[in-house]
Amino acid sequence: AQRVTQPEKLLSVFKGAPVELKCNYSYSGSPELFWYVQYSRQRLQLLLRHISRESIKGFTADLNKGETSFHLKKPFAQEEDSAMYYCALNQGYGGATNKLIFGTGTLLAVQP
Amino acid sequence: DSGVTQTPKHLITATGQRVTLRCSPRSGDLSVYWYQQSLDQGLQFLIQYYNGEERAKGNILERFSAQQFPDLHSELNLSSLELGDSALYFCASSVAGTGGSEQYFGPGTRLTVT
Repeated sequence: AQRVTQPEKLLSVFKGAPVELKCNYSYSGSPELFWYVQYSRQRLQLLLRHISRESIKGFTADLNKGETSFHLKKPFAQEEDSAMYYCALNQGYGGATNKLIFGTGTLLAVQP
Repeated sequence: DSGVTQTPKHLITATGQRVTLRCSPRSGDLSVYWYQQSLDQGLQFLIQYYNGEERAKGNILERFSAQQFPDLHSELNLSSLELGDSALYFCASSVAGTGGSEQYFGPGTRLTVT
């Protein structure tokens, strides 16, 4: 079955510490993966798409097909990074449909 | 601002009632998606429309239906509402109907069923 797993419900770090939010996926084809961020139950904002390999707000993520992982990293956390982070898999990538399967999310809390 | 708009922001209604949620996609986007976010189910894909036609279905109940109009805005109709339908309903849009497109989300409609 195709799924996205985010094993941590909550990740608490201090300001300036490195951050790694874990995401593992299960998908039979070539995956298309995203990270979305949601501040205080507002709209989801696209943070990263694995294909573009851009760094946004200092976050990066590398697709590791061997480990079926797409972990989100930032070397130095800021208080404004505190939010809910969702990893998502495009179930229809390469086909005629697009539907995102989301993980359960990880709440990142950056302490001062 | 992603450009996707949704109305209303909040909706409070009683069990058994019917409501309509509206979404306008970003300019130029042909695909519209509906998602439900609830505490117990998380974020779940409901349905996708591309240029007026249904393209994909997810965990959408039979009491729910959607459509996309010629001007590309979309409506999600929820009927015979139950307490468990209380959730945030998000609309998203993307440029194309085929794979490889980022989805941009609207601010959501918070539905409370009492």
